[in-house]
Amino acid sequence: QKEVEQNSGPLSVPEGAIASLNCTYSDRGSQSFFWYRQYSGKSPELIMFIYSNGDKEDGRFTAQLNKASQYVSLLIRDSQPSDSATYLCAVNSNSGTYKYIFGTGTRLKVLA
Amino acid sequence: DAGVIQSPRHEVTEMGQEVTLRCKPISGHNSLFWYRQTMMRGLELLIYFNNNVPIDDSGMPEDRFSAKMPNASFSTLKIQPSEPRDSAVYFCASSSTRVGEQFFGPGTRLTVL
Repeated sequence: QKEVEQNSGPLSVPEGAIASLNCTYSDRGSQSFFWYRQYSGKSPELIMFIYSNGDKEDGRFTAQLNKASQYVSLLIRDSQPSDSATYLCAVNSNSGTYKYIFGTGTRLKVLA
Repeated sequence: DAGVIQSPRHEVTEMGQEVTLRCKPISGHNSLFWYRQTMMRGLELLIYFNNNVPIDDSGMPEDRFSAKMPNASFSTLKIQPSEPRDSAVYFCASSSTRVGEQFFGPGTRLTVL
């Protein structure tokens, strides 16, 4: 079992719709959770991080964390073609260090 | 701030040659990470430094790979000898322990023929 799992996609949604990206992790001791966006040929860039159970909103983005079920999700409201990218989930598995375990990413396509 | 700087941006070399990748982290960041990204395996952590000291090198694939961080503003990843299966994009990232989020450099695309 991989430590951090994501559906590779592609996930296709129409422009203006809500895109829902999911990530599960295996280490119950994980403390911090990050979502990165990576455009083709570019480096990953941080979108959001979440540490506590529940929802965290930032503009069109909402991160959701459920530690009991060991999943974290990212919702993108009013999806735009410019949101088309690969979204990487990263989990900090060992509190006190900043070592991430990355998922392999979900490719999102927003159709105009 | 200039962000994380990596050089070279592209490297093409022949099997058996030595390759050295370079990274300058963001000033004030005390954690530095080297990653490798391929289509098959995604983004893999190779090695992680904190305050210039290697903390975890469990991701380094084999003895052909080595990394150093002689000071807070410079790190190298060396592959000797290189093999075609080393072809990938290598990213350097840095982090401030106060925040935890990692900032990535533009990457070095390595092709070993």
